[in-house]
Amino acid sequence: GEDVEQSLFLSVREGDSSVINCTYTDSSSTYLYWYKQEPGAGLQLLTYIFSNMDMKQDQRLTVLLNKKDKHLSLRIADTQTGDSAIYFCAEKTRTGGSYIPTFGRGTSLIVHP
Amino acid sequence: EAGVTQFPSHSVIEKGQTVTLRCDPISGHDNLYWYRRVMGKEIKFLLHFVKESKQDESGMPNNRFLAERTGGTYSTLKVQPAELEDSGVYFCASSQETQGAGANVLTFGAGSRLTVL
Repeated sequence: GEDVEQSLFLSVREGDSSVINCTYTDSSSTYLYWYKQEPGAGLQLLTYIFSNMDMKQDQRLTVLLNKKDKHLSLRIADTQTGDSAIYFCAEKTRTGGSYIPTFGRGTSLIVHP
Repeated sequence: EAGVTQFPSHSVIEKGQTVTLRCDPISGHDNLYWYRRVMGKEIKFLLHFVKESKQDESGMPNNRFLAERTGGTYSTLKVQPAELEDSGVYFCASSQETQGAGANVLTFGAGSRLTVL
């Protein structure tokens, strides 16, 4: 199975809150990330959380980490049409000789008026 | 500062042909990564350069793929001969941080979409 799992789609109404969920497998991951990809663009880091934290807030974004369940979520408050994008969850893992982010499939967030 | 640039943005080739993708990382970033996303699937790690050396190429699918980073600046990823299953978006990313305890935030390029017919 995949190391990082996310649901593929989320549809919300403008002004509502969006919650994107993710589960990961490596309990030794020290960092968990959320990246955002807008159409035609590369992935852009939104935020990350260190594994000894259980919550991080940055303006409209709230990240919750449940290390026991290996569950990460991203909450976007007051979702706007400009938030429509693909959101990728990632965990920092060791592979071969490198520490790299390992990504999920991405969740397409669709915001409608 | 200029971001990570990739060329071409889109390439359409026939099975059996050769394609070379190029990535220019952010100036001064020693770490350069290649990832690939096949449609609908996760973004998979291919390999990692530190300067001109391959630190980790455990994600390279097979010997039809060859990555180079001569002089530790830009990198190329050549697929020869291309097969249908090679279609996807190839992302390049770079980072400045030395591997280890830090967050190692990657800056990504826009990707090169490869379509093999």
